[in-house]
Amino acid sequence: AQSVTQLGSHVSVSEGALVLLRCNYSSSVPPYLFWYVQYPNQGLQLLLKYTTGATLVKGINGFEAEFKKSETSFHLTKPSAHMSDAAEYFCAVSAPGGSYIPTFGRGTSLIVHP
Amino acid sequence: DAGITQSPRYKITETGRQVTLMCHQTWSHSYMFWYRQDLGHGLRLIYYSAAADITDKGEVPDGYVVSRSKTENFPLTLESATRSQTSVYFCASRGQPQETQYFGPGTRLLVL
Repeated sequence: AQSVTQLGSHVSVSEGALVLLRCNYSSSVPPYLFWYVQYPNQGLQLLLKYTTGATLVKGINGFEAEFKKSETSFHLTKPSAHMSDAAEYFCAVSAPGGSYIPTFGRGTSLIVHP
Repeated sequence: DAGITQSPRYKITETGRQVTLMCHQTWSHSYMFWYRQDLGHGLRLIYYSAAADITDKGEVPDGYVVSRSKTENFPLTLESATRSQTSVYFCASRGQPQETQYFGPGTRLLVL
């Protein structure tokens, strides 16, 4: 079975500060990992994903995430937050044990203060 | 237009009524999914389909019915709507497992 835990339902940062959104997964085999962003009243859109290869993955809007197998983590970071980054962020895992059907975390709401 | 669309975008209905939410994608993706999004629960999978005429239950399938007679369409039916089915419903599609899921804009359903 696979599962995803996102620590913190809300994360608040100041504009220009580092953004760190945490995601831990459980899977018996190396999974595919995804981060999606949801702006108000919209569907989800992909920020970045890890499938194979380089463990540091760069995505859109300056976000990146690092796959750490030993820590079963895939934390999302951005060096400097912008007001436009305020949104809901979802981590998802997809693995053979789950027939590659994605399991989503509960989401983290990023709040950016001026 | 290419992409994934959902209709209606907003729907108000009464308890006991049948409601069908439509989902259409133009990529010929093999996989399609229905999720509901509720505060505090994130996204929960209702049903998914790996190909036309192949569907399977997700985490919360009770009270819902799906069909997939054509690759591009994946309607979700609430046979007898209940207030607990008030939610935002998202459809998504995907090709291979390592590929991105593409989400529709959502349908906001209110059951009175």
